[in-house]
Amino acid sequence: NAGVTQTPKFRVLKTGQSMTLLCAQDMNHEYMYWYRQDPGMGLRLIHYSVGEGTTAKGEVPDGYNVSRLKKQNFLLGLESAAPSQTSVYFCASSYSPGDAANTEAFFGQGTRLTVV
Amino acid sequence: GEDVEQSLFLSVREGDSSVINCTYTDSSSTYLYWYKQEPGAGLQLLTYIFSNMDMKQDQRLTVLLNKKDKHLSLRIADTQTGDSAIYFCAESINDYKLSFGAGTTVTVRA
Repeated sequence: NAGVTQTPKFRVLKTGQSMTLLCAQDMNHEYMYWYRQDPGMGLRLIHYSVGEGTTAKGEVPDGYNVSRLKKQNFLLGLESAAPSQTSVYFCASSYSPGDAANTEAFFGQGTRLTVV
Repeated sequence: GEDVEQSLFLSVREGDSSVINCTYTDSSSTYLYWYKQEPGAGLQLLTYIFSNMDMKQDQRLTVLLNKKDKHLSLRIADTQTGDSAIYFCAESINDYKLSFGAGTTVTVRA
């Protein structure tokens, strides 16, 4: 059981370049999330999805787009990277239908992105 | 998340108890969580407490919830070097979104 897998693990981008971060989960979870982690600020929610084909904005959505075309995948896109987007990005998933009591979020290992 | 506050650093001697404190603002939170993050890794759920409970004990971990003051604490008994990590307090919003604190870095010294 792989859980939540993020690719890539590391990436360096030049300002203005674009990239897509991929998150995949094999737990049949309905909800998926993208967070960024910055020193002293904890995790901030970028975008989230409550089901296949749905997305919603979180706390800090500007400069990012997401898509959830398949239930198991949640993609985070940066169309024109900026140095302020240098961060560690975490994907998470939660909630299986029929297991409403369990709200635990499972996290991927993170993607360390540097924009120069 | 600005709605959840916790101190940033805690240093504790091996074998002593650690207490990490957290305050939150959303009184309608259903669950409150403690996550642990080891260096270079993602977050792992340590424990959680339902909002109608005052206390939960799980082996070396004790969670205390004061709902009136919106205060949550995590006590780790007999702290070990493997407990060195960042600990995040989180509250659930709308049953599926989590709001995290900035994290408390716990350093265990010999």
